[in-house]
Amino acid sequence: EAGVVQSPRYKIIEKKQPVAFWCNPISGHNTLYWYRQNLGQGPELLIRYENEEAVDDSQLPKDRFSAERLKGVDSTLKIQPAELGDSAVYLCASSLGLGQGTTNEKLFFGSGTQLSVL
Amino acid sequence: GQSLEQPSEVTAVEGAIVQINCTYQTSGFYGLSWYQQHDGGAPTFLSYNALDGLEETGRFSSFLSRSDSYGYLLLQELQMKDSASYFCAVNDDKIIFGKGTRLHILP
Repeated sequence: EAGVVQSPRYKIIEKKQPVAFWCNPISGHNTLYWYRQNLGQGPELLIRYENEEAVDDSQLPKDRFSAERLKGVDSTLKIQPAELGDSAVYLCASSLGLGQGTTNEKLFFGSGTQLSVL
Repeated sequence: GQSLEQPSEVTAVEGAIVQINCTYQTSGFYGLSWYQQHDGGAPTFLSYNALDGLEETGRFSSFLSRSDSYGYLLLQELQMKDSASYFCAVNDDKIIFGKGTRLHILP
């Protein structure tokens, strides 16, 4: 079974340029997360999807970040325009999304996209 | 607000036992997870506790006390390959991660 696939693996852009990241979750996984991870820090939640619905985007800087998950499968995260402070690893994760309660919400992560903004 | 606290670094000797603590403060709580991340790699799931008590998976064990908002990850028979960062994560409907504990293992 294929894992979570992200592309590109690395991206170098100049500030004020746009950039997009793509994620293909594990087949059958309803929940998809985008996280941002700075060096030496934990993953910081940006947005969570349940199928095609963004159910939590409170941490997404909406002035420059946007995301979509068409048809509840693949997802794209976009930054426009990029700023120096956006340099980080952008991680996509998926889970079965079995709901609340005592369910083990185990996340499977992709390899991430390392973004460098110059 | 939500917060998770864990030590930034821990050092232990190969073959020994180490415990990494995590305290949390969240508006909702369904369970506590632990993830391992090697340098340059993605986080990988280690364990999950929804109820109080100890869960054992091979050399790794995880403990949860919901009344104390506290949990820990116990690593036994440490190996050099266990050198990594370890994150506790709260399931508050969404998954929120701590800042991580860097584990250094000395030969």
